[in-house]
Amino acid sequence: ETGVTQTPRHLVMGMTNKKSLKCEQHLGHNAMYWYKQSAKKPLELMFVYSLEERVENNSVPSRFSPECPNSSHLFLHLHTLQPEDSALYLCASSQDGGSNYGYTFGSGTRLTVV
Amino acid sequence: ILNVEQSPQSLHVQEGDSTNFTCSFPSSNFYALHWYRWETAKSPEALFVMTLNGDEKKKGRISATLNTKEGYSYLYIKGSQPEDSATYLCGEGAQKLVFGQGTRLTINP
Repeated sequence: ETGVTQTPRHLVMGMTNKKSLKCEQHLGHNAMYWYKQSAKKPLELMFVYSLEERVENNSVPSRFSPECPNSSHLFLHLHTLQPEDSALYLCASSQDGGSNYGYTFGSGTRLTVV
Repeated sequence: ILNVEQSPQSLHVQEGDSTNFTCSFPSSNFYALHWYRWETAKSPEALFVMTLNGDEKKKGRISATLNTKEGYSYLYIKGSQPEDSATYLCGEGAQKLVFGQGTRLTINP
């Protein structure tokens, strides 16, 4: 375990469903991130939260809605997704932008939209 | 260079051989360069973070160098072992890391 825990590990959802991905870290980090890994593409940054405030929303469709209720938890709420949203969703955390020790990643949620 | 680019995309190396691969990034507005190792079914694991031109970092048999003026970093693995098989990612940026596509390294026993 890296210290960043993501649940669930796997998720299959229909296009009309609403689901949420959860990320938790108890490393004392002050920034958390959502990344998307699609097949044959680089990791794409979706959202950044620093000190519980969203500082980056990388042109992500509104069917993805992040929530950061405190410095240890990050959620990604999903609704009316499309099959092309099937991907691996990675959460990460860092202290002060990661310039000393880098990011700590979770194991990811493998999402399949049917 | 507008994006972070890594080469080669994949690499097969014989056990015991040494190898290296490249990360290229925009040299303007540079902040930090990260290297990660990502084994199948695991989380990406930070290897190095470098911020200064000319930085060299080493962890065991793995080392990395950084040239911010020309916008590239090299990752070196000396005496490759089967456990080195993984995808190696580099990312550049401050609070929003932009990643390359990775170099998939396979060590043949």
